[in-house]
Parts: sequence; structure tokens; C-alpha cells
Amino acid sequence: VLTQSPSASASLGASVKLTCTLANGPSDYAIAWHQHQPGKGPRYLMKLNGDGSHSKGDGIPDRFSGSSSGAERYLLISSLQSDDEGDYYCQTWGPGVHLLFGGGTKLTVL
Amino acid sequence: EVQLVESGGVAIQPGGSLRLSCVASGFSFREYTMHWVRQPPGGGLEWVALIFWEGGNTYYADSVKGRFTISRDNSQNSVYLQMNSLTTDDTALYYCAKGQRPYSGYGALDFWGQGTLVPVSS
Repeated sequence: VLTQSPSASASLGASVKLTCTLANGPSDYAIAWHQHQPGKGPRYLMKLNGDGSHSKGDGIPDRFSGSSSGAERYLLISSLQSDDEGDYYCQTWGPGVHLLFGGGTKLTVL
Repeated sequence: EVQLVESGGVAIQPGGSLRLSCVASGFSFREYTMHWVRQPPGGGLEWVALIFWEGGNTYYADSVKGRFTISRDNSQNSVYLQMNSLTTDDTALYYCAKGQRPYSGYGALDFWGQGTLVPVSS
């Protein structure tokens, strides 16, 4: 199970940290972060490992980064822009669950 | 450039059947596991099904098991989703997505299509 807060907000130009919590699993599991904006297909942001190392998708700005602590996986977005508004999903995988998404966090840029 | 283009979504009545298609380009399709993911109105992303690169292994979400069938044609760079016994709960935007690592059954999804809408209603 992946748990995400339903909503988050931050001001234009500020930073925000979104959280995805892994339940009932080893704390070294990797996840992926995806951005989904209305009218568009989802966009892969990065794969985030349990040690905090991450590899980003093509064209993802440096403003997006990830980190990990125990069972928590974070997506950090700095210098927020209005175009960053949307829904953010974490995703995990494995032979048992096959593929699983968190419930998503709706990010509002104030 | 990787592209995934879905098609086949149309309005359909409960109990009906529909086949979705996804045509891929820009990568070596036969090397990658492919997925279908859906988003119901007002809801989040829900994984539906996956098919390994060779087509021999398929897995489904419990909500569609026994009703949906995923298949692929590597000669046509295409993946399909046959949906039978549709219910109103199947109403969603259906996305095709690519697995990140070649010859790997599980992993991150690194490219997505734009989606095709399937409204199920009487």
C-alpha cells in the first residue's frame, strides 16, 4: 500500500515536499513519481530508490528532486511555477502487487 | 521520440465489449513490458493489466480479471485490451504505458499515452 496526502499547496516560487509512505513493505523499496495534469497523459518524473538516489525522466527540470527516509519517499519541487499544478502519484511494483499507485496528491500553487 | 497512441474508446452500454489499441513508436517495442492503466472520473490512477515483452506472461487487477484480456503484436508495435462484460464501474480514461527497463516484467512506467475514453452507460 502506498499512502499519499490528498492535497498540498504552496506559493509561487516556494518549495514543496510531497510524501509517499510505503506500508507493509521493506523500507528499501524503490518507487516512481508521476505528474498528471488535466487533459494530458501522465508524465514520468523519476525513479526514487530507498537510499534516496534517483534518476529522472527526459526533460525533467532540476527543480524536481527526490529523497527517502525509512518508509517515506519524497518528491521535492523548488521554485514552484503555476505549471506545476496537478496531481502527483507515486507508483511501486513487484511480483506480488504487479503495479500499484498511491492515491495521488493534488498540488495547488497559490 | 517515444510515442504511445491509444484508440478504440467509444460510448458503450453495460454488458458490452470493446477492444482498445495502443500503437507504439520510438523504441524497440518487442523488448518492453507494456501496461494499461485507467483513471475513472474524479478518481486516481488504477493499474489494469500488463504483458511481458514476449507476450507469454500477463497479469490483471482483480477488478478486471476474467473480463479483460491484454495482448500484443510485436510485428505491429501494438498492445491491445479486450474488455468484455463492461459495467459502469469500468468508465474511465484508459492509458497505455511502457515499462522502463528492457526484458523486465516489473518496474517504473516511463512513458504514457494521451488516453482513450471509455464511457459505459445505458
